[in-house]
Amino acid sequence: SQQGEEDPQALSIQEGENATMNCSYKTSINNLQWYRQNSGRGLVHLILIRSNEREKHSGRLRVTLDTSKKSSSLLITASRAADTASYFCATLEGGSQGNLIFGKGTKLSVKP
Amino acid sequence: DSGVTQTPKHLITATGQRVTLRCSPRSGDLSVYWYQQSLDQGLQFLIQYYNGEERAKGNILERFSAQQFPDLHSELNLSSLELGDSALYFCASSPRPERYTQYFGPGTRLTVL
Repeated sequence: SQQGEEDPQALSIQEGENATMNCSYKTSINNLQWYRQNSGRGLVHLILIRSNEREKHSGRLRVTLDTSKKSSSLLITASRAADTASYFCATLEGGSQGNLIFGKGTKLSVKP
Repeated sequence: DSGVTQTPKHLITATGQRVTLRCSPRSGDLSVYWYQQSLDQGLQFLIQYYNGEERAKGNILERFSAQQFPDLHSELNLSSLELGDSALYFCASSPRPERYTQYFGPGTRLTVL
């Protein structure tokens, strides 16, 4: 079953603009991870944020986590055409054995 | 390159057949996870192994089975295949279960005709 929902389902922006994707989830979590998937290919891990963290940065990526609202956001700054991909949030439920629960993803299109 | 390898990349087979998908985890990773990605169900967790033992089961059909061998590679066996089993099957690995980043392989695209 799906844990969360990404919002929006699709996002189209121009190169240089910022892209913000949101993820909501339902249960208490240990951590939340964001992955990128280029069309039909494998998932690339972007960033992991633990339940006791509120914000994390990695290069042009900024992730926030609000456990009271059960939501997270991924911000990609100064986007590039190469950022075109689907982005998924995945949660590790508290007490789970390690299996991730994925949202349905946001399809990002960055136009040059 | 995540360090996780999967073979084959593509597999085309007929309904009723049986196939085996293979995964080699990153060097040093003891946990292996299998996920299925389809258009209607999205990314679904199937099964997890840790150091040769089954650790957790998700939405895995009874027609599907898996195992992790002493050298830590894993195989996912799909039998009595149906059209609806057509999907991308991903393997992921992590050092141990819980709290760790999972690194995904490139996937095996299964087409059942």
